[in-house]
Amino acid sequence: NAGVMQNPRHLVRRRGQEARLRCSPMKGHSHVYWYRQLPEEGLKFMVYLQKENIIDESGMPKERFSAEFPKEGPSILRIQQVVRGDSAAYFCASSLGTNQPQHFGDGTRLSIL
Amino acid sequence: SQQGEEDPQALSIQEGENATMNCSYKTSINNLQWYRQNSGRGLVHLILIRSNEREKHSGRLRVTLDTSKKSSSLLITASRAADTASYFCATVNSGAGSYQLTFGKGTKLSVIP
Repeated sequence: NAGVMQNPRHLVRRRGQEARLRCSPMKGHSHVYWYRQLPEEGLKFMVYLQKENIIDESGMPKERFSAEFPKEGPSILRIQQVVRGDSAAYFCASSLGTNQPQHFGDGTRLSIL
Repeated sequence: SQQGEEDPQALSIQEGENATMNCSYKTSINNLQWYRQNSGRGLVHLILIRSNEREKHSGRLRVTLDTSKKSSSLLITASRAADTASYFCATVNSGAGSYQLTFGKGTKLSVIP
C-alpha cells in the first residue's frame, strides 16, 4: 500500500532552467496539495488540485509556477526560469476527500546553483 | 499569514518523561491536525481533531482542542528517543473551500536516552 510518491528526491538546477517535480498520490486519493518548506520553517500552501482541475492556487507565485494533475499520470509542479529563491523542499500531499487527513510524500529538495 | 503557532519552539526531555506541545491559531477552523517530521523527511500524520471534538487519543498521543481559546495541545507520554523530531500543528480553516493546511513553525523535540 504505497504512500505518496515524489520524485526526484533531490533536484539541482542552474538559474534560468526549468524544474519539474512529480507527485503520485496514494491509491484512491483524488485530492492533491503542493506545499513549500524553507529551512527551519513550517510548510506553506501553494496549490490544491483534483483530477484535471485546479481548485485553489492562491499560494502559488503568479509567474513562473504552474501545476497540473492530468486524468492519467502524476501531478506535476513546474517552475520555469528558476532563481536562487526557489531553493526549498517541495512537498506533495494527497487525501481521500475534503476534511480528511492529508498524507505527505518525502518531498523534493530543489537546489538552484 | 501564520495561523498555527507552536510553543515551545524547542523542547528537550529525558526518555520516559512526558512532552507537551501547544498550538494557538487565529481563525475559526474545520479541523486541526498534528504532524511529525524527522530531519530530511516528509510529514507523518499523527492525529486529526475536528472542531466539535475536545480530546482524542492515539496510542501514547493525546490531543486536546479548546476552540474558545483557539488552542490545542499535543501530549506524548513515556517518550522514547525515536520520538525526536519536529512537530507541527496545522489547521483547516472554516470557509476555506480548498481545505488547505496552514502550518505553524513547529516544535523541535529532543528526547535524550
